[in-house]
Amino acid sequence: EAQVTQNPRYLITVTGKKLTVTCSQNMNHEYMSWYRQDPGLGLRQIYYSMNVEVTDKGDVPEGYKVSRKEKRNFPLILESPSPNQTSLYFCASSFSSLAYEQYFGPGTRLTVT
Amino acid sequence: GIQVEQSPPDLILQEGANSTLRCNFSDSVNNLQWFHQNPWGQLINLFYIPSGTKQNGRLSATTVATERYSLLYISSSQTTDSGVYFCAVERGNNDMRFGAGTRLTVKP
Repeated sequence: EAQVTQNPRYLITVTGKKLTVTCSQNMNHEYMSWYRQDPGLGLRQIYYSMNVEVTDKGDVPEGYKVSRKEKRNFPLILESPSPNQTSLYFCASSFSSLAYEQYFGPGTRLTVT
Repeated sequence: GIQVEQSPPDLILQEGANSTLRCNFSDSVNNLQWFHQNPWGQLINLFYIPSGTKQNGRLSATTVATERYSLLYISSSQTTDSGVYFCAVERGNNDMRFGAGTRLTVKP
């Protein structure tokens, strides 16, 4: 089954404790991206990747890091989480760039206290 | 950056009714997509529609790129149509911008 998976689905952590949210897709997609969703703001793009070892900033990259060492994986790293990063995070992938349908993961709800 | 405005922000319908959701954008775009987020949070791509008209069952969408708007039509609405509908645009720079969404509630 074609899918995008994220782990963990729910996470409560404390300020400053490094964490990683994993994202994996099994569709051999080149393009992957991370979004955060906050009430009243819709989804905002954090980072995206056009292919292995190619990443770029989206609309709200501050406080986040990403890497793309393998085509299927695109982890999101919060080196020192802060309460304003409490949000619902989505990973997405598409065949090649945004000219194709995007497939979304199930979301990761992160709370930073 | 490009602005994306969706209207109405909230919509309550009786089952069987039709509805039109609107998305206005402030600049020319290469890509426009409509998504549905169900009450469990799952995001589903409905249409990839940078221009023209598409139909998929009870849903259809029209984008008039020259006038910078897109419409999503839902006919004979069902309770399973409830959720939030997002419009998202991209200008060819791989930076996708979402509107704030329209929250649809369909009552039985």
